[in-house]
Amino acid sequence: GIQVEQSPPDLILQEGANSTLRCNFSDSVNNLQWFHQNPWGQLINLFYIPSGTKQNGRLSATTVATERYSLLYISSSQTTDSGVYFCAGYYNNDMRFGAGTRLTVKP
Amino acid sequence: DTAVSQTPKYLVTQMGNDKSIKCEQNLGHDTMYWYKQDSKKFLKIMFSYNNKELIINETVPNRFSPKSPDKAHLNLHINSLELGDSAVYFCASSQEGREGEKLFFGSGTQLSVL
Repeated sequence: GIQVEQSPPDLILQEGANSTLRCNFSDSVNNLQWFHQNPWGQLINLFYIPSGTKQNGRLSATTVATERYSLLYISSSQTTDSGVYFCAGYYNNDMRFGAGTRLTVKP
Repeated sequence: DTAVSQTPKYLVTQMGNDKSIKCEQNLGHDTMYWYKQDSKKFLKIMFSYNNKELIINETVPNRFSPKSPDKAHLNLHINSLELGDSAVYFCASSQEGREGEKLFFGSGTQLSVL
């Protein structure tokens, strides 16, 4: 089946730093999305980004569908950015999630 | 008002028991889902359901069954609980269930099977 790889698995940042999270797919997927799970377990949609670039405040995402990867950029990180970031895409009508990147932002 | 709510938030039970987790959405969405997140944070879809169709992930044991009394509710019933069922279960909903629609998640139910 399709493999969804996220890197890095863990990331520790100092508040104010920038970071890039990566999501690779072993096959073409549709309708790629990024999610944030905060330390209390709540899951929130960040981006629906099948291709191109989108920005929302300090977060932006870029998907290059032809090369089967997506990037999530976090600028000027804050402690509230801590949590796990998941990417997911649809393959044969089945939504597949990556294992996540655990981000810790220290004050 | 909470958009997607699930209860209970924590559930501790013995092996072999039967339990249910409730989910309700007040968004008027047509499609609801159940996801399982294991101890390694892997998220897997278990079911998606609207008034037309139930789609079951083939890896889900038939001890798990979704029950939908109406469009706003999708409850998860689990029979003969096993240790491996311990996980966090998330309910979610989307407007129509089309690919790529924004998903709205509940806050999760942490199930511990002893």
